[in-house]
Amino acid sequence: AQSVTQLGSHVSVSEGALVLLRCNYSSSVPPYLFWYVQYPNQGLQLLLKYTTGATLVKGINGFEAEFKKSETSFHLTKPSAHMSDAAEYFCAVSSTSGGYQKVTFGTGTKLQVIP
Amino acid sequence: DVKVTQSSRYLVKRTGEKVFLECVQDMDHENMFWYRQDPGLGLRLIYFSYDVKMKEKGDIPEGYSVSREKKERFSLILESASTNQTSMYLCASSFRRGRNYGYTFGSGTRLTVV
Repeated sequence: AQSVTQLGSHVSVSEGALVLLRCNYSSSVPPYLFWYVQYPNQGLQLLLKYTTGATLVKGINGFEAEFKKSETSFHLTKPSAHMSDAAEYFCAVSSTSGGYQKVTFGTGTKLQVIP
Repeated sequence: DVKVTQSSRYLVKRTGEKVFLECVQDMDHENMFWYRQDPGLGLRLIYFSYDVKMKEKGDIPEGYSVSREKKERFSLILESASTNQTSMYLCASSFRRGRNYGYTFGSGTRLTVV
């Protein structure tokens, strides 16, 4: 079984401040990890992914995330928040079972950026 | 630019109606998925398909069925709509079975059942 926990359903940061969105996962096999972003009334868009190799992954819009196996974490960061970053962010874990990919999404974190 | 297109952005239906939600992808992806999204619950998998005419139940299939007659099209059917099926429905696709490099999502259909 696998699961994803996103700490904080709502996070507020000031414009220009560091963005840190937390994600912890559990998986019995080596996971693939993803962050998606959802703007109001839209579908989800892939922000970045970790599959294998380098544990620090860079995504679109200046976001990056670091896979820490010992901490079972995959936190999302951005050095300086922009107003356009206001959205909901979803962490997801994916693993293979019986030839199928099983993906589990977190419950999401809404990011508010304060001018 | 690759696309997943959902036929309706907003839909209002009456209780008991049969509802069809259509999803089309133009990327030659093998895998297609239907999720529903509700506040505080995240995304929950309803059904998925790894091939034409193939379907598998997800975590919450009750009250739903699906159809995949062509590779590019995956339809979600609410046999008899109920108010507890009011939700945002998201279709997604990915390239190949057994490999997950991320999903491409449609823009969603917000369904209200009255």
